[in-house]
Amino acid sequence: DSGVTQTPKHLITATGQRVTLRCSPRSGDLSVYWYQQSLDQGLQFLIQYYNGEERAKGNILERFSAQQFPDLHSELNLSSLELGDSALYFCASSVDPGRHNEQFFGPGTRLTVL
Amino acid sequence: AQSVAQPEDQVNVAEGNPLTVKCTYSVSGNPYLFWYVQYPNRGLQFLLKYITGDNLVKGSYGFEAEFNKSQTSFHLKKPSALVSDSALYFCAVSGFSGSARQLTFGSGTQLTVLP
Repeated sequence: DSGVTQTPKHLITATGQRVTLRCSPRSGDLSVYWYQQSLDQGLQFLIQYYNGEERAKGNILERFSAQQFPDLHSELNLSSLELGDSALYFCASSVDPGRHNEQFFGPGTRLTVL
Repeated sequence: AQSVAQPEDQVNVAEGNPLTVKCTYSVSGNPYLFWYVQYPNRGLQFLLKYITGDNLVKGSYGFEAEFNKSQTSFHLKKPSALVSDSALYFCAVSGFSGSARQLTFGSGTQLTVLP
């Protein structure tokens, strides 16, 4: 158990809908990262937050957004969902993103868009 | 921009034999390299990292990795494979994207250890 929690574990929804994925980092970790894992794209970095502020953006679509709250939990919002958004979404956390610390991954949320 | 290549999608090895999972990287500046493992329906688990120092890095579950700067490689190794080592393995490099450091992952190598 990495100490990173993600909810829900599974999510099934329809095209055009909006969903919210939630992540709680390990105790003491200030940095949260979101990744998308799909068969055709592999593991893609989406976005990073550090202590409530956006730090880095990767291959995140404009339909997707995220935030990190004062209690350090983070939410990833996916809107106007398309079939191609079906994937595993992982959250990871680390102590300090600038010190090459390893990231600890949550169990993921499997999103299925029908 | 940094990148990682894992040239083998699939590696099969017999239990008890040594295993190697290959990784090459490209990054500006000093390389900071990681190996992660993913078991079915689980998140990625950290195995080991190279930041500086000894070229042979030891990690969890008996795994080690050899850093070779001239060949820009960071191959994962284990002297004696177990069936329970069967999983998906990812190599990653840490580098700057804009002003922030982030991990870039390879495409993954599926390791199957045959009993």
